[in-house]
Amino acid sequence: GENVEQHPSTLSVQEGDSAVIKCTYSDSASNYFPWYKQELGKRPQLIIDIRSNVGEKKDQRIAVTLNKTAKHFSLHITETQPEDSAVYFCAASLIGYGNNRLAFGKGNQVVVIP
Amino acid sequence: DAGITQSPRHKVTETGTPVTLRCHQTENHRYMYWYRQDPGHGLRLIHYSYGVKDTDKGEVSDGYSVSRSKTEDFLLTLESATSSQTSVYFCAISDRQNTGELFFGEGSRLTVL
Repeated sequence: GENVEQHPSTLSVQEGDSAVIKCTYSDSASNYFPWYKQELGKRPQLIIDIRSNVGEKKDQRIAVTLNKTAKHFSLHITETQPEDSAVYFCAASLIGYGNNRLAFGKGNQVVVIP
Repeated sequence: DAGITQSPRHKVTETGTPVTLRCHQTENHRYMYWYRQDPGHGLRLIHYSYGVKDTDKGEVSDGYSVSRSKTEDFLLTLESATSSQTSVYFCAISDRQNTGELFFGEGSRLTVL
């Protein structure tokens, strides 16, 4: 099955700086790559996702890039704010072909230092 | 927020006792999932369902069973709880035909003594 790995496990950034989290996946057939944010004591929530037919997607201060050849994708957070402090999970899946399983990475703790 | 609720939200039980966690949705989504979350392991899929009475195993299914007799309910059962099953359990739902997005419940914290 799909195996997703995230690096680094913990990332500390100064407020206002950028944060980048990278994930690699193993199954070249995967075509859907979401990112979830989980604040302390809360449920994970989708913040951005990308399909395999797109190389980059942006939504305000966050963006995701995908390199299918290298089988990795990254989350970019610009102008970080204290409310960006959370655990971020990447995931990969093949959707639309009867495979309904989303494989998550182990998560990255992002700490924004005021 | 998507209409998804988990019960109980917190439970403490003893080793060897049976435990059932319930996930209830009001979105009429076809797909439902049970994940467990543990420090250093992220979110790991236990079982999932792709329709009434249609379920399949995830990566950590040993010691767990599920049932889905109605679209809105997905039950996770630990037949004989062990300390290694102490965890936070999240239910999630998805209408994967359209978006692939998972909507998570608030989680159920289970402690097995």
